[in-house]
Amino acid sequence: GQNIDQPTEMTATEGAIVQINCTYQTSGFNGLFWYQQHAGEAPTFLSYNVLDGLEEKGRFSSFLSRSKGYSYLLLKELQMKDSASYLCAVVDSNYQLIWGAGTKLIIKP
Amino acid sequence: GAVVSQHPSRVICKSGTSVKIECRSLDFQATTMFWYRQFPKQSLMLMATSNEGSKATYEQGVEKDKFLINHASLTLSTLTVTSAHPEDSSFYICSATKIAGGLVVEQFFGPGTRLTVL
Repeated sequence: GQNIDQPTEMTATEGAIVQINCTYQTSGFNGLFWYQQHAGEAPTFLSYNVLDGLEEKGRFSSFLSRSKGYSYLLLKELQMKDSASYLCAVVDSNYQLIWGAGTKLIIKP
Repeated sequence: GAVVSQHPSRVICKSGTSVKIECRSLDFQATTMFWYRQFPKQSLMLMATSNEGSKATYEQGVEKDKFLINHASLTLSTLTVTSAHPEDSSFYICSATKIAGGLVVEQFFGPGTRLTVL
């Protein structure tokens, strides 16, 4: 079957760095998305990786290793507003998005 | 960037009525649109995939006669919840996808529709 694994919850301190990991096993691979979702709101796009390596966008970076079925989202200089759920999703061979359950990130002062 | 809109953002209806939710891609043509449902504190659950001009593909356990999906154009897909019941109360989210050259080049979510069935 298809499976996406990410930690359920993580806690970090304001100003620090946190890495949220995602491992996947899917039928085919056409890219991996990271989304941020605040409670009661729709997900918002953070990044899309289809090739191996690191993509940097300001405070957020996303890394992909297709051979390892592994990605991470790196958040730097954490702010209180970064408290949210972070969702990892893989596009399979049928262009379906396979979703992880999300990682709830709690930022403490 | 691209924008996907949903209407209505919030709807409250009586049990047994039908509710239509619209999803529009405002500045790009969406080859494929996905409809999701999300219950509180749970992950997104894919309901169906709709491709412009063809019948939607429903996920296992999703009743196609209850959740009617129409994708009449490259910028509009609608989800109609027929004979809604309280257990259908949920957050419904659409996403619009553009696929070109075998790659997902654009993928954006609508803001979601909160459905409450009394």
